[in-house]
Amino acid sequence: GQSLEQPSEVTAVEGAIVQMNCTYQTSGFYGLSWYQQHDGGAPTFLSYNALDGLEETGRFSSFLSRSDSYGYLLLQELQMKDSASYFCAVRPQGFKTIFGAGTRLFVKA
Amino acid sequence: DAGVIQSPRHEVTEMGQEVTLRCKPISGHDYLFWYRQTMMRGLELLIYFNNNVPIDDSGMPEDRFSAKMPNASFSTLKIQPSEPRDSAVYFCASRDKGAYEQYFGPGTRLTVT
Repeated sequence: GQSLEQPSEVTAVEGAIVQMNCTYQTSGFYGLSWYQQHDGGAPTFLSYNALDGLEETGRFSSFLSRSDSYGYLLLQELQMKDSASYFCAVRPQGFKTIFGAGTRLFVKA
Repeated sequence: DAGVIQSPRHEVTEMGQEVTLRCKPISGHDYLFWYRQTMMRGLELLIYFNNNVPIDDSGMPEDRFSAKMPNASFSTLKIQPSEPRDSAVYFCASRDKGAYEQYFGPGTRLTVT
């Protein structure tokens, strides 16, 4: 089978740093993506990792370890608007995409 | 560009009725994806197309569901007959060749009573 595991929710304080993890077990692997979704909205793309290492885009960074089947999304300088659900997604083959259940991030003042 | 366009935004129908959801991808994008999102099952890929050709429909739940892409700028997802368990938000997304990012439309919230 194919599965992705993410913690269901995490709470952090405004201005802090938060890390959201994703472990996966899939029949194939081409890359790991991260998407953000606000309540009532559509998922929006944040980052993509095909190779091991860290990718940085502004306040967001994403890490991948293919040998550990593990990745994480790091958010720095948290803002209230970052409160949302964050999904990791794996491409096991072609452009088929499997999404995790998501981590709901609550940012407190 | 206006982004991915979906219609209707909301649909309420009775069990047994036919439902058709529509999607216009971003112009020039080669890939189109249909997803379903529910609290219980999360975000599931139903089917995706490349250059209007269905590539993987393994996520289509059953024969009541069908999807078509008659041209590069239009796709439909049809449910016939609809059932209450089909109630969900259905998203369409498109992707440009050579890119990893999928652009999602605003979704259609379907309620089957």
